[in-house]
Amino acid sequence: DAMVIQNPRYQVTQFGKPVTLSCSQTLNHNVMYWYQQKSSQAPKLLFHYYDKDFNNEADTPDNFQSRRPNTSFCFLDIRSPGLGDAAMYLCATSRGSGRGTDTQYFGPGTRLTVL
Amino acid sequence: AQKVTQAQTEISVVEKEDVTLDCVYETRDTTYYLFWYKQPPSGELVFLIRRNSFDEQNEISGRYSWNFQKSTSSFNFTITASQVVDSAVYFCALSGETSYDKVIFGPGTSLSVIP
Repeated sequence: DAMVIQNPRYQVTQFGKPVTLSCSQTLNHNVMYWYQQKSSQAPKLLFHYYDKDFNNEADTPDNFQSRRPNTSFCFLDIRSPGLGDAAMYLCATSRGSGRGTDTQYFGPGTRLTVL
Repeated sequence: AQKVTQAQTEISVVEKEDVTLDCVYETRDTTYYLFWYKQPPSGELVFLIRRNSFDEQNEISGRYSWNFQKSTSSFNFTITASQVVDSAVYFCALSGETSYDKVIFGPGTSLSVIP
């Protein structure tokens, strides 16, 4: 089945130790998104790629970086995780019509714990 | 500016009761899309429905139904004969012709169905 896959599902890291979360998709969608979701809150968009075109949200900390080496894969790098970065990280994809018409499809998420 | 309001933070119902989740939106776009997502305790955001601004027909899918009213800027979601498996956080979301590839999420409503 076509889908959005995230690995790992659970990640534990230490304060300040870099961590990378991965996302892959078999939908062949143009757009890939990374969201951060903290408990009892809505998902918060960190950034998204339209093909290789990177779009950062204005309030995304520099500590968060992303790479998209090809259409199928996208990575979230947290350079120096702090306790406040503990959250669920959700990857999503959409076709990318640019007119707000497209549904976003989400992966199962990676729950990050920072010790 | 675009905004989605879900005034009900938490709802509890007894199994087999009907429940309606409210969603009110604000947008200046002429063409826009409304979505509902379900987030069970596992964390994955599951797409339920997309409705465009030109289609005010109500939608029914099994026990789920949606009522879209442009006059009141509302897109409410009703679950008939609720079941324990319906326990989740439900998010209403909005995108429009000026959103490009992004959606605006409401704060979510946490639904608990008690056996």
